[in-house]
Order: sequence, then C-alpha cells, then structure tokens
Amino acid sequence: DGGITQSPKYLFRKEGQNVTLSCEQNLNHDAMYWYRQDPGQGLRLIYYSQIVNDFQKGDIAEGYSVSREKKESFPLTVTSAQKNPTAFYLCASSITGANTGELFFGEGSRLTVL
Amino acid sequence: AQRVTQPEKLLSVFKGAPVELKCNYSYSGSPELFWYVQYSRQRLQLLLRHISRESIKGFTADLNKGETSFHLKKPFAQEEDSAMYYCALITGANNLFFGTGTRLTVIP
Repeated sequence: DGGITQSPKYLFRKEGQNVTLSCEQNLNHDAMYWYRQDPGQGLRLIYYSQIVNDFQKGDIAEGYSVSREKKESFPLTVTSAQKNPTAFYLCASSITGANTGELFFGEGSRLTVL
Repeated sequence: AQRVTQPEKLLSVFKGAPVELKCNYSYSGSPELFWYVQYSRQRLQLLLRHISRESIKGFTADLNKGETSFHLKKPFAQEEDSAMYYCALITGANNLFFGTGTRLTVIP
C-alpha cells in the first residue's frame, strides 16, 4: 500500500519531553505538509515544505520544528515549548507547480501528553 | 485573513432525503474551494473541487461569489455518505485552509 505513512499511530509523552513524528511518502511528491486536528477546530497548518531543504511556517508553528533532508521524509518534532501538544497530527503531500488542491493524507498520529 | 465557516458541527438526515452541508468563506483573493471527506477508519481525501464543476458520488457544490458560499449538496442521501466533511480554501502554493468540519449522519 503506497502513499503516505505516518508513525507511530499512538504516542504518549511526559510533559517536558520532545517527540518526533515520522512521515514518509513514496508518491514522488515535492510538497509535504503537517496539520494538527483538534475536535471542533478542524485542521490547522503547522509547517509545509515545497522542496527538499526548504520549509515554511504555517498558522500554528510555535512549539514545533521540522526538517526536509530527503524528498520522501518530513518529520515533525513537537517540542516541550508547545503548550498544548495533545492532538491528532496529519501529514500530507501534493504535487507542486499545480494548484490542484489535492492533498494526499496519511492515517495520522495521535499524541497524548501525560 | 482567510476564513472558512462550516456552521453545523453535526447534521443528521434520513436516507433518501436531500442533504446540504453549508460552507461560507472569506478571502481577499480569487477563491478556489474544495470539499474533503473522511469516512470512518479511512484517510481524509478530496471529494470535489469547484473549478472542476464535477459531481462525485452524487454530490455537487457551486461556488457563489455573491454569497461567498460553497455548499455541498446531494439530492438523495445514502447511508454510505455518513462521514466527516471539510470545506477548504486554497491560499497559495497548494496550501489549504480548512473549516471546522461537519459530521453527517444518514439515518437508515
């Protein structure tokens, strides 16, 4: 099953710890995205990357960091600076150069801070 | 700043009844809007885009710039339409700004 793979599906973290969520894609897409999904708030963009070695902050980047060293991979680190990290995180990818609006999503990772 | 409003968090309709999921937007540029759907235990996926003027699974959506709306409609709801629906606005470079979503339940 190709597409977007996120891991782990479930993650528990103690307060004050950093945690990294993995996102890998085999669609040969240039662009990748991280969204946060909270009940009643929809999806909010955290970071996005249009090309390798480049990424941009989204609407709620504070307390998060990313890297894009490889086309296939776009890991998200939730740092201890993120005030309310418990959430469902979705990774997505798309073709660049064409504003089709079609994002391909992973199955998500649920992070719970204890 | 952009805004996408889906006023109904929950919507229930009977099978065979018409369904309309509301979406209103605010955007200073030329709007391009989309509907995404997430069925139970499945990934979020694109349902339709206004620019294509297509009907997918019996759903249609018309962009009304005067009313700044992009409501999703289907004349006869089916049980398999039960899902979470998100309206989204493209804000540049394929960046999507999503609404808060509407959970549709079709009652048998």
